[in-house]
Amino acid sequence: DTGVSQNPRHKITKRGQNVTFRCDPISEHNRLYWYRQTLGQGPEFLTYFQNEAQLEKSRLLSDRFSAERPKGSFSTLEIQRTEQGDSAMYLCASSLSGGAGETQYFGPGTRLLVL
Amino acid sequence: SQQGEEDPQALSIQEGENATMNCSYKTSINNLQWYRQNSGRGLVHLILIRSNEREKHSGRLRVTLDTSKKSSSLLITASRAADTASYFCATDENAGGTSYGKLTFGQGTILTVHP
Repeated sequence: DTGVSQNPRHKITKRGQNVTFRCDPISEHNRLYWYRQTLGQGPEFLTYFQNEAQLEKSRLLSDRFSAERPKGSFSTLEIQRTEQGDSAMYLCASSLSGGAGETQYFGPGTRLLVL
Repeated sequence: SQQGEEDPQALSIQEGENATMNCSYKTSINNLQWYRQNSGRGLVHLILIRSNEREKHSGRLRVTLDTSKKSSSLLITASRAADTASYFCATDENAGGTSYGKLTFGQGTILTVHP
């Protein structure tokens, strides 16, 4: 069990650029979640996959955000035309449905800074 | 949006003392989870308590849940400097009996344990 990994760990970009983050969940986990966390706040839900199907998206996820999970394994989160307000920590978590109470295991996060 | 409210927002204690953090939430839940986050890092799962449970222990941690008051508390006994972190409660809301595992986090309690 290598845990949830995320890449890159840090990303600095200029306003208007596109960025893509990757999440590799724990291998047997079928559920994958993306959250966003700003300074001094708790994480906020963005979207959720069960296997390759994206089953729920938050209103926080504007049209500039898109997430995929091809083949039900790793996931990518893309932000197009970044804005300064997108600066945050983006956290990925995975879990096994039907497991012991849906414990979610989080990755280390990708910290995004939009200049 | 944030579901839970943690109290206090910040707590400063001496090593060896006990630390108690409280969490209130608004909706019906399937379970409530507590996470720890060290500065700028990912979240570490501490303990999960189901809606039909009232108390749970794990090592130096004790969690209580009162669904009638929609509140939970986390007690850390015999605190150590290494317990210094932010602590978040997160609820898995009961949306008509279907649980997708989406978590709604509070704003967290910052705990500082002085050696």
